[in-house]
Amino acid sequence: SQQGEEDPQALSIQEGENATMNCSYKTSINNLQWYRQNSGRGLVHLILIRSNEREKHSGRLRVTLDTSKKSSSLLITASRAADTASYFCASVWAGTALIFGKGTTLSVSS
Amino acid sequence: DVKVTQSSRYLVKRTGEKVFLECVQDMDHENMFWYRQDPGLGLRLIYFSYDVKMKEKGDIPEGYSVSREKKERFSLILESASTNQTSMYLCASSFGGAQNIQYFGAGTRLSVL
Repeated sequence: SQQGEEDPQALSIQEGENATMNCSYKTSINNLQWYRQNSGRGLVHLILIRSNEREKHSGRLRVTLDTSKKSSSLLITASRAADTASYFCASVWAGTALIFGKGTTLSVSS
Repeated sequence: DVKVTQSSRYLVKRTGEKVFLECVQDMDHENMFWYRQDPGLGLRLIYFSYDVKMKEKGDIPEGYSVSREKKERFSLILESASTNQTSMYLCASSFGGAQNIQYFGAGTRLSVL
């Protein structure tokens, strides 16, 4: 399988703490994307980082990319209970479609 | 806002039945995708389509087929449903190239008994 891997598989934190999740991918990329999925729903795009970028910010999200290690990380600062969801990274597979990792399940308790 | 609509949120079918899952998008996207999602396995690509009447196999096409007769509609077909096809099915669409952002429907949870 060409699926990427997120790490950790599950993460539990308190409100106000930061959450960091990591992604390793297998292919060469034009960009890497992060998506969020609330329980039982579809995925929603969060942020895209291009292969020539090393870091990108969007609100409380910070994404880094290390193409030499084929890895990315997503940092959510000052987590809220509403951030409870699963988070997936996605990269291009065989030049034809996005392929998603297995996801990190984040639980933020108040 | 982009809207991707899947025809059913929940579906219960019997083994051996022919099952149709429908997906419609309203943004004139060229690309449409079908995934299945299972605990511990993440999203796996079943089929995708870059144009009307075009289809490409994804990672796990066995037991499935697809149809794209109109640009806005992409159907997933289970010719003879089996219990191991019980899963959450997600449809997505996007513009242009493979690396572009995908927009997802809410998903169909299919149970095959």
